[in-house]
Amino acid sequence: AQSVTQLGSHVSVSEGALVLLRCNYSSSVPPYLFWYVQYPNQGLQLLLKYTSAATLVKGINGFEAEFKKSETSFHLTKPSAHMSDAAEYFCAVSRMDSSYKLIFGSGTRLLVRP
Amino acid sequence: ETGVTQSPTHLIKTRGQQVTLRCSSQSGHNTVSWYQQALGQGPQFIFQYYREEENGRGNFPPRFSGLQFPNYSSELNVNALELDDSALYLCASSLSGQGVTDTQYFGPGTRLTVL
Repeated sequence: AQSVTQLGSHVSVSEGALVLLRCNYSSSVPPYLFWYVQYPNQGLQLLLKYTSAATLVKGINGFEAEFKKSETSFHLTKPSAHMSDAAEYFCAVSRMDSSYKLIFGSGTRLLVRP
Repeated sequence: ETGVTQSPTHLIKTRGQQVTLRCSSQSGHNTVSWYQQALGQGPQFIFQYYREEENGRGNFPPRFSGLQFPNYSSELNVNALELDDSALYLCASSLSGQGVTDTQYFGPGTRLTVL
């Protein structure tokens, strides 16, 4: 069985500060891992994905995430937060051998203070 | 390249009614997945359709059903609506082949309210 845990339902940072959103996964088989962002009243937009190539994955808008198998983690980071980064962020996992079903975490709302 | 589109944007129904939600896939994609996102929660997988056949199903009752058409557009049908069906319904399209599904790209969703 697969599952995702996102630590912290809300994270607040100052503009220009480091953004760190935590995601831990559980999977009995090699996983694919994803980060999606959701702006108010919109669908999900893919930020980045890990599919067993490089463990450090770079995405859009300056975000990146590192796959750490020993820690079963896939934390999302950005060196400097912008006001436009304020949104809900979802981590998701799927099976590498049959990646049809995404299992999402409960989400982390990022607040950016001026 | 056209992205994933969904209709309608918003919908209000009463308990016991039936509803149909529609999704047009991104150009070149042959697979559609549907998710339910309740308020304050992450999306939950309902089912996926690949080449007009159901390719996997989450923990949803049979009153949730779907169709995929030859042009790869899709419908989600929900019968006997319950108050707990109120949610944002998201459609995602992807390209599948050889048992592996590529990245899922999401539409803007349909907000369903059941009164």
